[in-house]
Amino acid sequence: EIVLTQSPATLSLSPGERATLSCRASQSVSSYLAWYQQKPGQAPRLLIYDASNRATGIPARFSGSGSGTDFTLTISSLEPEDFAVYYCQQRSNWPTITFGQGTRLEIK
Amino acid sequence: QVQLQESGPGLVKPSQTLSLTCTVSGGSISSGDYYWSWIRQPPGKGLEWIGYIYYSGSTYYNPSLKSRVTISVDTSKNQFSLKLSSVTAADTAVYYCARDEINGVSYWGQGTLVTVSS
Repeated sequence: EIVLTQSPATLSLSPGERATLSCRASQSVSSYLAWYQQKPGQAPRLLIYDASNRATGIPARFSGSGSGTDFTLTISSLEPEDFAVYYCQQRSNWPTITFGQGTRLEIK
Repeated sequence: QVQLQESGPGLVKPSQTLSLTCTVSGGSISSGDYYWSWIRQPPGKGLEWIGYIYYSGSTYYNPSLKSRVTISVDTSKNQFSLKLSSVTAADTAVYYCARDEINGVSYWGQGTLVTVSS
């Protein structure tokens, strides 16, 4: 089983700042990595697929990078609505998939 | 616009079987482009993939749950279902049904909380 480790567990930043979230895989997943955003009481929303492609309707301030085992989700300038929990998901051995444990992005 | 809606009991007794149904609207479950999945989230915790079904009936399950999970599809009703047997308190979670494309899970139901308790 491929294990995804996200860091940090919690990130405290202010609106307007840049956020950098990390996801590391226990073995290579090539570029088959997705990122999701989840707000309290809501289902997750797909942000990024194939490591660096924004899903439909996702603002340009969200970007993804990486390949192999190390991936990054960057939010260039935080908006108030961006404070949420973010999950990475590997899809390299799709249809079997796994999620990271999540990074909580909170307002400082 | 595709919509998914979970339905089923919110309370299940330990050792019994959890049963949920997902009704899909705004699109056909028989479309060959998608896998129909179940994902759960224990209160305050992360996401766990349970398994998928293709419209043809092919299934894929999380190895950690495989012995207890059955996912089925009813294309005539545009629904798919989850059964999880021998539940314990550890199975208490919000259960989501979702549409999975090869790039990611693009559509989710709102989720339904299932509590395992006597």
